[in-house]
Amino acid sequence: EAGVAQSPRYKIIEKRQSVAFWCNPISGHATLYWYQQILGQGPKLLIQFQNNGVVDDSQLPKDRFSAERLKGVDSTLKIQPAKLEDSAVYLCASSLGRLKTRTNTGELFFGEGSRLTVL
Amino acid sequence: KQEVTQTPAALSVPEGENLVLNCSFTDSAIYNLQWFRQDPGKGLTSLLLIQSSQREQTSGRLNASLDKSSGRSTLYIAASQPGDSATYLCAVRPGGFKTIFGAGTRLFVKA
Repeated sequence: EAGVAQSPRYKIIEKRQSVAFWCNPISGHATLYWYQQILGQGPKLLIQFQNNGVVDDSQLPKDRFSAERLKGVDSTLKIQPAKLEDSAVYLCASSLGRLKTRTNTGELFFGEGSRLTVL
Repeated sequence: KQEVTQTPAALSVPEGENLVLNCSFTDSAIYNLQWFRQDPGKGLTSLLLIQSSQREQTSGRLNASLDKSSGRSTLYIAASQPGDSATYLCAVRPGGFKTIFGAGTRLFVKA
């Protein structure tokens, strides 16, 4: 079974430039998450999709970050314009979906991450 | 608001030691708790998941326990090896969708 795919793995940009990250979740997973992980910290949720609808984007800096999940499958996270403090690893994760089913444990599966350096 | 704390922040042990990593959370109304491993420059690898109705889960040399009433989970690693060196993250999922992570424990096992 293929895991969560992310690209690019690494990106270096200058401040005020833009960048986009792509994620393809595990086939059949309805829920997709974008996390930001700053060095030395645990991941912080930026946005969560259930199919192609947004469930939670309360910690997404909406003045510069945007995300979409067209057709309820893969997703793109964009930063424009980037700031120095956006340097982090951007992790995509997926899970089956609604928790109230007998077989859904709610387990999260993560991709390898996209490391962003803003100079 | 759910908060997750992991202790110790860092740990260095000689090879062969048994060790315990701790995770505490403030709200006992959880759906599950998941332990992850993260190698430098890599994503998160799921180690063990404990449902709210379970007390523990085991996989090889790893054993994770859950005590919801006290808001604690422990990850026990038996006979540690240099290959176990990594950051270990605890993640708590409340009844809704949002999973909350701790800051992690950085483990170094010396050969």
